[in-house]
Amino acid sequence: DGGITQSPKYLFRKEGQNVTLSCEQNLNHDAMYWYRQDPGQGLRLIYYSQIVNDFQKGDIAEGYSVSREKKESFPLTVTSAQKNPTAFYLCASSILSGTSLLRPHNEQFFGPGTRLTVL
Amino acid sequence: KNEVEQSPQNLTAQEGEFITINCSYSVGISALHWLQQHPGGGIVSLFMLSSGKKKHGRLIATINIQEKHSSLHITASHPRDSAVYICAVPYSGGGADGLTFGKGTHLIIQP
Repeated sequence: DGGITQSPKYLFRKEGQNVTLSCEQNLNHDAMYWYRQDPGQGLRLIYYSQIVNDFQKGDIAEGYSVSREKKESFPLTVTSAQKNPTAFYLCASSILSGTSLLRPHNEQFFGPGTRLTVL
Repeated sequence: KNEVEQSPQNLTAQEGEFITINCSYSVGISALHWLQQHPGGGIVSLFMLSSGKKKHGRLIATINIQEKHSSLHITASHPRDSAVYICAVPYSGGGADGLTFGKGTHLIIQP
């Protein structure tokens, strides 16, 4: 079955440690995204990538880093520079707009999320 | 950057009631998304629409592009509809640069 996987579902880390969240998709999507969700707030865009070896900052990229070495994978590293890293992190993917006559808009498919708690 | 406003933030209703959730956005868009998030956190895409109306079972989504407004309706609501419903639009109106989300509507349907 095609889909997006994120692991682990729950992650605990000590303050000051870097941590990497995994996101893998087998949908053959070009674009991938990372969002962060905090209680009472909408999801916010951290980083996105439209093509391998290229990525762009979203609204809240400070303290995070990403890589896109393979089309299927878009890992997110939460660095010690991120002041308040405890949150729910969602990965998503989509085809690029205009690349399909059947789906001209970028419908996004979401992973199950990783809940990160920094102690 | 697109801004999204959703209302109401919280909604409690009795089973069987007709539910309406509203969404307004600031920048013209290629498509609008309605998403559902259950307590475990996973998000499911309900609708993506760029004009008119779409229906899936008891769920109906409408959009007015000129007024930059969309509504999600649930007919004959059921306790299993209890979830957070989120409206999202393209970050800058179109393209593949991510979505901007509303804060969500927390819906509780009581038996």
